[in-house]
Amino acid sequence: EVQLVESGGGLVKPGGSLRLSCAASGFTFSSYSMNWVRQAPGKGLEWVSSISSSSSYIYYADSVKGRFTISRDNAKNALYLQMNSLRAEDTAVYYCARGAPGDQQAFDIWGQGTMVTVSS
Amino acid sequence: DIQMTQSPSSLSASVGDRVTITCRASQSISSYLNWYQKKPGKAPKLLIYAASSLQSGVPSRFSGSGSATDFTLTISSLQPEDFATYYCQQSYSIPLTFGGGTKVEIK
Repeated sequence: EVQLVESGGGLVKPGGSLRLSCAASGFTFSSYSMNWVRQAPGKGLEWVSSISSSSSYIYYADSVKGRFTISRDNAKNALYLQMNSLRAEDTAVYYCARGAPGDQQAFDIWGQGTMVTVSS
Repeated sequence: DIQMTQSPSSLSASVGDRVTITCRASQSISSYLNWYQKKPGKAPKLLIYAASSLQSGVPSRFSGSGSATDFTLTISSLQPEDFATYYCQQSYSIPLTFGGGTKVEIK
């Protein structure tokens, strides 16, 4: 079964750090680009970051650039999001999502999400 | 950045109704347009990619059309499990952007 499972969310104070992980199974992880997408409470979906299959290409939303770092370990079938200098507006459910094959870059497989709460 | 505008933001419909949701891009995105369904507490689900291609496993009552700046998601006969929020997303350029969502509620 193709599956993505996020972990690492929790409550953190403003200015703090958190590292999210996404464990992939059921597909050849190293062949796919991967993404992080978030949804703040009561808000819509927001793309956060993307990484190509070999980590050659990395992109960030302006709202997280310079504070968040996406990475992956293809040997461990794992995707990561290091989040530093967290702000209240980073409070959201964070989803990892697989990039579909081809150039469309749709997100075809999603994890169940992990909640990040930034509050003092 | 490419802005994606969905309309309406919400709608009420009955089981069996035909439902149409529109999405407009602030500039041409060719056919780089995807549609997702989101239910509370659940992961988003890809319905349509490349504007009109049905994702595997998605019921055929869902269809997508459009190109350049104007796109449509149609549900031909609304089913109870279709009550959810629907999002369009452009994958033409970085930053990837989503529409604000359309909440489909029971009338």
